[in-house]
Amino acid sequence: EIVMTQSPATLSVSPGERATFSCRASQSVRSNLAWYQQKPGQAPRLLIYGASTRATGIPARFSGSGSGTEFTLTISSLQSEDFAVYYCQQYNDWPRDTFGQGTKLEI
Amino acid sequence: QVQLVESGGGVVQPGGSLRLSCVVSGFAFSSNAMYWVRQAPGKGLEWVAFIRYDGTSKLYIDSVNGRFTISRDNSKSTLYLEMNSLRVEDTAIYYCVKDRYFFDYWGQGTLVTVSS
Repeated sequence: EIVMTQSPATLSVSPGERATFSCRASQSVRSNLAWYQQKPGQAPRLLIYGASTRATGIPARFSGSGSGTEFTLTISSLQSEDFAVYYCQQYNDWPRDTFGQGTKLEI
Repeated sequence: QVQLVESGGGVVQPGGSLRLSCVVSGFAFSSNAMYWVRQAPGKGLEWVAFIRYDGTSKLYIDSVNGRFTISRDNSKSTLYLEMNSLRVEDTAIYYCVKDRYFFDYWGQGTLVTVSS
């Protein structure tokens, strides 16, 4: 099983600032990496797939980078609606996808 | 507009059974693989079961293998999860998810609580 490790567990940032999330895979997943946002009481929402492609309707302030085992999600200028939990997911081992444990973005 | 609507959750005693359903619309259900993904209270995401677009291939995580059965009725655009011998640790929100290798659409989830 490919283990996905996210850091930090909690990220404290102010509105208007940049937020950077990290995700590491236990073995190479090439660019088969997605990011999701989950707000309290809601289902996760796809943000990024293919490590760097924004999903439909996702604002340009969200960007993804990386390949192999190291990945980054960046929110360039935080808006109030961005405070949520963020998960990475590898699908290189499809259909045995695995998620990271999540990073909580808080004010 | 893509919609996935789950139902069938509830409270059940350990050892009991439940059947979850997910009715989908807005995309070609019969052409897409599907998953059930769960989230225990305050925890992260975990896929539980996978089914190929035509139902010919199924996969389960080890902890539910032999207890849960995923199925689909493409004529009704409906996905199912039959859950037997439920355990306290199966308590979670269960999401029906459309597969595109990654998960591009999710239902709102249905809560399963296993408690005596």
